[in-house]
Amino acid sequence: DAKTTQPPSMDCAEGRAANLPCNHSTISGNEYVYWYRQIHSQGPQYIIHGLKNNETNEMASLIITEDRKSSTLILPHATLRDTAVYYCIVRVLGEYGNKLVFGAGTILRVKS
Amino acid sequence: ETGVTQSPTHLIKTRGQQVTLRCSSQSGHNTVSWYQQALGQGPQFIFQYYREEENGRGNFPPRFSGLQFPNYSSELNVNALELDDSALYLCASSRSGRAAYNEQFFGPGTRLTVL
Repeated sequence: DAKTTQPPSMDCAEGRAANLPCNHSTISGNEYVYWYRQIHSQGPQYIIHGLKNNETNEMASLIITEDRKSSTLILPHATLRDTAVYYCIVRVLGEYGNKLVFGAGTILRVKS
Repeated sequence: ETGVTQSPTHLIKTRGQQVTLRCSSQSGHNTVSWYQQALGQGPQFIFQYYREEENGRGNFPPRFSGLQFPNYSSELNVNALELDDSALYLCASSRSGRAAYNEQFFGPGTRLTVL
């Protein structure tokens, strides 16, 4: 699995967009970028994933660079409830589901 | 909520004891993965079960074992508990196959404390 690099922590003002970067310079052509978040003492929550096109859902947007070596998760209007650890994961889809290789993640603190 | 349930919520054991943790997968999911999360770290993959067979394993010793049942629920068993086994144990379920929509959905976890 490709290794990912994320900043250890970030702050964001409530109501503003939170932009969380992730580097995955060794990503392979068939590896997807996944984002999960984990609110204190809860199980990780799936946010979004993508291969090479930008993606958007009701929670967030995922911007992947053309060379696929980095990506940015965007929370368009951060709220206090978005305070969590955000994990960027690169993994290969296999025949029977896949393991997720978590790094240390980014602690996002949304402040009022 | 994801529909993945785990029991018990919390558990306290002593060194050398054995423990069994349980997980019920989300409806329609036939693959279950287990992760260990030590305090302050990201989850670490233990193993995955598909159709009642182990389908991938992380860097964990054989005293970590598991089962998957015909209804796709699963158990994680840990023998000869050590202090370092104290962690949050997470279960995640997913669909199998190569489809893009096989993201893993996590349960709330079981907090194991080994004294």
